Amino acid sequence: GAVVSQHPSRVICKSGTSVKIECRSLDFQATTMFWYRQFPKQSLMLMATSNEGSKATYEQGVEKDKFLINHASLTLSTLTVTSAHPEDSSFYICSALQGFNQPQHFGDGTRLSIL
Amino acid sequence: GQQLNQSPQSMFIQEGEDVSMNCTSSSIFNTWLWYKQDPGEGPVLLIALYKAGELTSNGRLTAQFGITRKDSFLNISASIPSDVGIYFCAGHEAGNNRKLIWGLGTSLAVNP
Repeated sequence: GAVVSQHPSRVICKSGTSVKIECRSLDFQATTMFWYRQFPKQSLMLMATSNEGSKATYEQGVEKDKFLINHASLTLSTLTVTSAHPEDSSFYICSALQGFNQPQHFGDGTRLSIL
Repeated sequence: GQQLNQSPQSMFIQEGEDVSMNCTSSSIFNTWLWYKQDPGEGPVLLIALYKAGELTSNGRLTAQFGITRKDSFLNISASIPSDVGIYFCAGHEAGNNRKLIWGLGTSLAVNP
């Protein structure tokens, strides 16, 4: 149980392109999902908390107009990196909260490479 | 932001050896979680701890929630090559059950 699917697993695109990443909870409903960014050999850095039916909560220093989050249903959250540039290249990982006082379960991540 | 102090940073051991890693915090935590991350993948939950003093096992893995609520350890017994990866501790600080605070990870290499 508690399977989180993230798609696509890898994206390579030109600078200026907008890229959408999907995060789905496959066997449970998630009122809260999280989006992380991870640089090589580093820990996960929380970007934003995605709440179903309401606006996402962004961490300090994360541009909300750059990283658009939509959590339209209890099983799907999307992260759109708008007008991506090479410095946005990174490993993006989502997680979903199964319930109150439950651990976060993670997707397999999306490797984004901007040329 | 706050980070957990996780040690050691890396380990290189022989197959069959036991492994121990730990995390400490400067504040009280309500939850301690241990994850393993393989290259190019997301973290996978190994053990979740919710009570001070709790000792929980998952196969060859054992983790404990420190009695002071400021630390946790993870032990791996009789290591095998597939134990290779990066192990992260994470937890919820008291009063914040949404945002996870992370350690910097312990990179484990196992020599067959």
